[in-house]
Amino acid sequence: GQQLNQSPQSMFIQEGEDVSMNCTSSSIFNTWLWYKQDPGEGPVLLIALYKAGELTSNGRLTAQFGITRKDSFLNISASIPSDVGIYFCAGQTTNSGGSNYKLTFGKGTLLTVNP
Amino acid sequence: DGGITQSPKYLFRKEGQNVTLSCEQNLNHDAMYWYRQDPGQGLRLIYYSQIVNDFQKGDIAEGYSVSREKKESFPLTVTSAQKNPTAFYLCASRLFGRNIQYFGAGTRLSVL
Repeated sequence: GQQLNQSPQSMFIQEGEDVSMNCTSSSIFNTWLWYKQDPGEGPVLLIALYKAGELTSNGRLTAQFGITRKDSFLNISASIPSDVGIYFCAGQTTNSGGSNYKLTFGKGTLLTVNP
Repeated sequence: DGGITQSPKYLFRKEGQNVTLSCEQNLNHDAMYWYRQDPGQGLRLIYYSQIVNDFQKGDIAEGYSVSREKKESFPLTVTSAQKNPTAFYLCASRLFGRNIQYFGAGTRLSVL
């Protein structure tokens, strides 16, 4: 089946630093999603990407849909303590029928921000 | 408020017991999904449903069962056949035509 390789697995940074994480796949996706999960909660959508080469920002977050459609990255600028959590990438494709959408998830990047 | 409600937040299962996790959405979304999350792992798909009275197995369906009798509800039963049920369970929903899944707050299941 499809697999997403997300790296790094974890990051320990100082408040104010910039962060970068990425996901790669051997499969082509038509949508890339980035979610953040706080401890004991469900993932919350941060950014959605729909076109190869697309670069999208949401406040201090910036994400890009790779040209090859097999990768994506997420950058967080000027990190703050509330950025702590697990960040997941997810890729979505369709089967031949076009209606059977499923998400494939990376294993997540655990971000710790030291004040 | 519109959203996805999972209940209970915490659930304990005795050996040999079946337990049911509730997932309700008032977003009028068409598709609903159940995922299992283990520490340090990504989300693994258990079951999903595109329409009422229809559902498909995901990657790890063994030991689980679901029903979709109403559009807004997609309960998950963890049966006694699931030998390692301790995990965080997440329900999600999606509107047809949109590629985004929205998640509930999760249910943490533990074994007594």
